Amino acid sequence: RKEVEQDPGPFNVPEGATVAFNCTYSNSASQSFFWYRQDCRKEPKLLMSVYSSGNEDGRFTAQLNRASQYISLLIRDSKLSDSATYLCVVNKAGNQFYFGTGTSLTVIP
Amino acid sequence: GAGVSQSPSNKVTEKGKDVELRCDPISGHTALYWYRQSLGQGLEFLIYFQGNSAPDKSGLPSDRFSAERTGGSVSTLTIQRTQQEDSAVYLCASSLAPIGGGGGDEQYFGPGTRLTVT
Repeated sequence: RKEVEQDPGPFNVPEGATVAFNCTYSNSASQSFFWYRQDCRKEPKLLMSVYSSGNEDGRFTAQLNRASQYISLLIRDSKLSDSATYLCVVNKAGNQFYFGTGTSLTVIP
Repeated sequence: GAGVSQSPSNKVTEKGKDVELRCDPISGHTALYWYRQSLGQGLEFLIYFQGNSAPDKSGLPSDRFSAERTGGSVSTLTIQRTQQEDSAVYLCASSLAPIGGGGGDEQYFGPGTRLTVT
């Protein structure tokens, strides 16, 4: 079983839509959780850290469910500029971060 | 402020040659990571440095790969006797603090070095 699993998509949504991504992780001792976005042929950029209480940053909301071992990312009022690959990242207890293979989002005009 | 920088941005080398990739982390960041990403694939962890502690080399794919971090700052990743399967983007990231869920362990990535082995 992979450490981190994401639905690869692609998700194709119209502008203004709300879209949600889930990510599951295998190690219950994982300590840190993040969402990154990666544009084509670019490096990953931190989008949000995910806290146990859930957190919101403008149109983006992240939530953590430790009991079910998943994290989610909700994007409201999608913009064309939101088109990217979204990476779920989990720190397994130890020194290593595990990256999901990403969920592809395309926002359509 | 200045982000993570990497050089070269692109490197084309012949099979069997050695290559050296450089990473300058964000000033004050104690943790440094190397990853590689093949086309259309996820990030593969290679090695982790934290302060003066012994590095975590568990992700290095073979003994042809090695890395150093001098003075707790700049890091170099060396690949000896390159093979075609080494072709990938090599990404370096740094974070303010070590992992632990206490905050400050968010990783910031450099632009990467695109390595092509012919």
